[in-house]
Amino acid sequence: DAGVTQSPTHLIKTRGQHVTLRCSPISGHKSVSWYQQVLGQGPQFIFQYYEKEERGRGNFPDRFSARQFPNYSSELNVNALLLGDSALYLCASSRTGETEAFFGQGTRLTVV
Amino acid sequence: GESVGLHLPTLSVQEGDNSIINCAYSNSASDYFIWYKQESGKGPQFIIDIRSNMDKRQGQRVTVLLNKTVKHLSLQIAATQPGDSAVYFCAESSDYKLSFGAGTTVTVRA
Repeated sequence: DAGVTQSPTHLIKTRGQHVTLRCSPISGHKSVSWYQQVLGQGPQFIFQYYEKEERGRGNFPDRFSARQFPNYSSELNVNALLLGDSALYLCASSRTGETEAFFGQGTRLTVV
Repeated sequence: GESVGLHLPTLSVQEGDNSIINCAYSNSASDYFIWYKQESGKGPQFIIDIRSNMDKRQGQRVTVLLNKTVKHLSLQIAATQPGDSAVYFCAESSDYKLSFGAGTTVTVRA
């Protein structure tokens, strides 16, 4: 079985642009969460989606949005990029009702 | 703000010795804790978890201890190997999200 897959693995964007990051959960997992990990820090929760609906949101501005598709894959969108948005963006999936989350390898976003 | 944190940012250990990584948490209502290992260029990897109604849980070469009185969590790694070199995070699970501390970087000396 494939694990959580994220694309792209690396991305460089200019301030003010927008970006879309993609995540495919493990087969059978209906819950997808997004985390931001700034260099030298632990991951910070951004969103969780379950059955295509937002279940929770962390302390991030409205420039951050996400959605989940019928096949349970997910996209994270960030508008009006700032230098401070440079980070590793992690996607995690989990089975219904289970707390163990499986992480992808992340997308390294650099904003210049 | 973060609800969990680690005592030391770095730990250097001799190969074959035991490692102990500590973590303090602040939310006494938390009922589930997890340790993750993150190697360079990879996402966090689940190591072991423990629920608040337990004091100790053992896995393969790893043991997690939970002291709810002082809100302290620790991860013990037996016979540390070079492959154990990584950043270790404790995380608190609350409903739909995980709250991570800043992490401890473990370096194994040959």
